[in-house]
Amino acid sequence: DTEVTQTPKHLVMGMTNKKSLKCEQHMGHRAMYWYKQKAKKPPELMFVYSYEKLSINESVPSRFSPECPNSSLLNLHLHALQPEDSALYLCASSLDTDTQYFGPGTRLTVL
Amino acid sequence: RKEVEQDPGPFNVPEGATVAFNCTYSNSASQSFFWYRQDCRKEPKLLMSVYSSGNEDGRFTAQLNRASQYISLLIRDSKLSDSATYLCAVTEAGSYQLTFGKGTKLSVIP
Repeated sequence: DTEVTQTPKHLVMGMTNKKSLKCEQHMGHRAMYWYKQKAKKPPELMFVYSYEKLSINESVPSRFSPECPNSSLLNLHLHALQPEDSALYLCASSLDTDTQYFGPGTRLTVL
Repeated sequence: RKEVEQDPGPFNVPEGATVAFNCTYSNSASQSFFWYRQDCRKEPKLLMSVYSSGNEDGRFTAQLNRASQYISLLIRDSKLSDSATYLCAVTEAGSYQLTFGKGTKLSVIP
């Protein structure tokens, strides 16, 4: 089973709101990722957690704050977002530095 | 800059046709190669990993040419359900960073 789950599926928020995206996997994968994808573009890497530690931050603005409570869970906390942050946010996981499996994504709209 | 290039298409092909996509990569240290399929408004789904010796999965064949730094995907006997965007992706050994091409859009027409 190569399942990564994400909640919520859709999220609409105002620029002053605080919200969180959640991701979960039970495959024993030790690396988890957040990607952002705009329409007709490939996914862009935002963060990588490896063994529950932040391994890569691709110069993401601080209004996006990742958190890895344990090896199965990954959160992305959102605060004071801008309309241009509207996108599909994808979580992925991999056993280590190998094949990445993606969750269904959260479609975020910032008003 | 590490780049992965794909022809964006669209490729419009009739059912039953054979279609091939190429993807070139600039980073000679690339070690692992993948094809993902992405349907509209859905997540990328792994189609195939690409091995040095080439590999086949049903109607799909992937090949790697390290000398020329490209990977290819061949789809035989195209089905309507093959319509999607096909993303190639590469990564260096020991790296978490997966570099995607911009994707090639395929439309299979009845």
